This record gives sequence, structure tokens and C-alpha cells, in this order.
Amino acid sequence: LAKTTQPISMDSYEGQEVNITCSHNNIATNDYITWYQQFPSQGPRFIIQGYKTKVTNEVASLFIPADRKSSTLSLPRVSLSDTAVYYCLVGGFSGNTPLVFGKGTRLSVIA
Amino acid sequence: GAVVSQHPSRVICKSGTSVKIECRSLDFQATTMFWYRQFPKQSLMLMATSNEGSKATYEQGVEKDKFLINHASLTLSTLTVTSAHPEDSSFYICSAQAQGAGTGELFFGEGSRLTVL
Repeated sequence: LAKTTQPISMDSYEGQEVNITCSHNNIATNDYITWYQQFPSQGPRFIIQGYKTKVTNEVASLFIPADRKSSTLSLPRVSLSDTAVYYCLVGGFSGNTPLVFGKGTRLSVIA
Repeated sequence: GAVVSQHPSRVICKSGTSVKIECRSLDFQATTMFWYRQFPKQSLMLMATSNEGSKATYEQGVEKDKFLINHASLTLSTLTVTSAHPEDSSFYICSAQAQGAGTGELFFGEGSRLTVL
């Protein structure tokens, strides 16, 4: 399973765009990249998933360069409620392959 | 969207007792579910893979006789912490993916916080 590396923490003011980059140098050909958000005392919540190039949904964008050795989660105009831990995970998602969590990035949004 | 539910959300027990935590997939079938443990300010640590109709696969360092896992149906997996001790106090989270979903999101339960006195 590909190992991921993310910044331990980030701070941002409300209304700013936040970009969190994740390194996954040994990503496999059939691996997808998925980002989860976790609030204290809650289970992780799916944010976005991608394989290559750019993916956008109603809450975030995911940028993946051609070599797929990294990815960047972009959160537009963050609010205080976006304060959470964000995890980048890499895996094939065959249904019976567990996801291994890295340390995640603790995002603190300041008013 | 698919939902995974855990019960209880919080449990407090005395040292030496056993506690059972249930994980249910509410609107999909899951042949495989995963159990994680999370200590304060730390990431999720995979404990075991629960397979419907067969024995669970435990990660290195996780005692199978301590953490009993039963996956008796396609919608229910249970984790029993036997003879719990204060060091077992933690946040336990299960996850599952819809059967045959291929590449897709893994759904997580709300988590169960165990406090052993």
C-alpha cells in the first residue's frame, strides 16, 4: 500500500482558499487517491476521489499531476466549520482492501 | 448515499468486562468490513479486516483473542473487546464498501468511544 506524506498542520483565515498537498511517490497503477475529512469524535467523511488530472465536486477540487506522485486538495473559501483533520489515502478500492491512514493534516480555520 | 452505522456511540465499562460494538451497513451489503482504532490526537490505526462467513484477518500486534470479530451477515460485523482494561479505552471506527462497487468511496461509521474504568 502506497505511503502518503502530508503537512502535519495548516492554518487559514476564513474565506481563503486552502490547498493541502499529499505526496505518494510509490503509488501503483491501479491506485486511486481519496481524501477524507474527520471532525473530533466522528468517523471520517468522504470528500473527493480521483485517478488523474482534475476532479471537482461541490465541496472541493483535487489536482493530480501526470506522474501521480502527489495530489492537492483544494478547499475554496474555507469557513470555521472546515476546521478538521484531512487525510489523503491511496489504494485500489477493490472492496476487500483496507485503507491505511497516514497522520493527516490538521486544518485550523481562524475568523 | 450509503450509510454505515455503529452502536453504541459511547460505552463506559468496568475493567475486566467485555464490550460488544456493532457495525451495520444500512442500505448496502458488504462482504468485507474494516475495524480501526483511534487514540486522541492520532490517526486511525487498522486493527482487522472482517470477512463475512470467515475468520477475520488481524493486523500485526492486534490480539485476536482480545478483539473478537464476528461478521455473520452481509450487513453486520461486531467487535467484542474482551476483558477490557483502561488501555483499551479508545475510539473504535468501522468501515465498509458496497459489494461489487469497484472503485468507490469507503463508508465509515460514526465511531464508538469506549472508556474502561
